[in-house]
Amino acid sequence: DQQVKQNSPSLSVQEGRISILNCDYTNSMFDYFLWYKKYPAEGPTFLISISSIKDKNEDGRFTVFLNKSAKHLSLHIVPSQPGDSAVYFCAPRGGAGSYQLTFGKGTKLSVIP
Amino acid sequence: NAGVTQTPKFRVLKTGQSMTLLCAQDMNHEYMYWYRQDPGMGLRLIHYSVGEGTTAKGEVPDGYNVSRLKKQNFLLGLESAAPSQTSVYFCASSYSTSGGGNEQFFGPGTRLTVL
Repeated sequence: DQQVKQNSPSLSVQEGRISILNCDYTNSMFDYFLWYKKYPAEGPTFLISISSIKDKNEDGRFTVFLNKSAKHLSLHIVPSQPGDSAVYFCAPRGGAGSYQLTFGKGTKLSVIP
Repeated sequence: NAGVTQTPKFRVLKTGQSMTLLCAQDMNHEYMYWYRQDPGMGLRLIHYSVGEGTTAKGEVPDGYNVSRLKKQNFLLGLESAAPSQTSVYFCASSYSTSGGGNEQFFGPGTRLTVL
């Protein structure tokens, strides 16, 4: 039973265009939603997060949108750059006092120069 | 700051052998975690620790043991390795979860193959 689904295993985008990565979840107890970026042969690195009480958080080229009623969030990257090519994981936190992140399977983004 | 380091980077074991993976962090984080990642899968939590001397089970703890004797170190042990434990293992650490989003800092990973 997957609590976190990233239904697109891969995504290709032209450099300079927008990349949109999606994540759906089922657990209404999740209170924070984190995005991690992972390059091959490296550990994941934190990218951006959003609290469940907000619907948008922006950090430079990266914006995360949260639609709680639909249990859906998305990560927008504008403009996309070749260095953004990586696997992106959606990782919600299990609720106040929870130490656990639940990772989706990831979406591999390829930004084509 | 080295951040989170993992030793070794690669290891090949035979079925039934034992080994210990070492994780060290220099950020004075209270919490530490061990994950495994299998092909096409997200990271799954094996065990975690909320402080020196404490450990708890995660999502997939069977076949593993952990110890947190020092705040900066978190050890993951395989007592009798099985081919199903072939995976990439990641260690992570974080500050308290009170407030914020519990950002976890990850090590570079250990690639383990069990033959």
